[in-house]
Amino acid sequence: DSGVTQTPKHLITATGQRVTLRCSPRSGDLSVYWYQQSLDQGLQFLIQYYNGEERAKGNILERFSAQQFPDLHSELNLSSLELGDSALYFCASSVQGSSGSSEQYFGPGTRLTVT
Amino acid sequence: DAKTTQPPSMDCAEGRAANLPCNHSTISGNEYVYWYRQIHSQGPQYIIHGLKNNETNEMASLIITEDRKSSTLILPHATLRDTAVYYCIVRVGRVGQFYFGTGTSLTVIP
Repeated sequence: DSGVTQTPKHLITATGQRVTLRCSPRSGDLSVYWYQQSLDQGLQFLIQYYNGEERAKGNILERFSAQQFPDLHSELNLSSLELGDSALYFCASSVQGSSGSSEQYFGPGTRLTVT
Repeated sequence: DAKTTQPPSMDCAEGRAANLPCNHSTISGNEYVYWYRQIHSQGPQYIIHGLKNNETNEMASLIITEDRKSSTLILPHATLRDTAVYYCIVRVGRVGQFYFGTGTSLTVIP
């Protein structure tokens, strides 16, 4: 158990809909990272927040957005869903947000299926 | 953007040491090497990381060459539960996001 929690575990929805994925980082961790893992793309970094502020963006679509709240939990919002958005979505957390030695701990993931 | 190269698959006999290689020839002086593994579709699990010195923890050892262009993850006594995809990652950028490559699929054989 990494200490990172994600809800829900599974989500099935239709094309065009909007969903929200939730992540609670490990106690004391200020950074939250979101990753997407699909069959044909592997693990892709989406976005990072550090202490409530966006720190870095990766391959995140404009239809996707995220935020980190004062209690440090984070939400990933996916809108206008397409079949290709079906994937595993992982959240990770770490103590630091800048360079140096700081391992990331991953949650169990949310499996999103768009039908 | 992957900065690491790993063999796509390896087999290892149960109870033997598993040595997983990784090339990272473009690594910069202050970039750490991290190893993670992913069992089935579970969240990636942190194994170990290092900068230039060899590192050991309860899970594995990490051997980094003197020129830092390659490294080897060693699982000293592989078990069936070590069957997983192993990712070697060089942390990219100031803010620490990871770029996962395709990893090495390790199969531990009874």
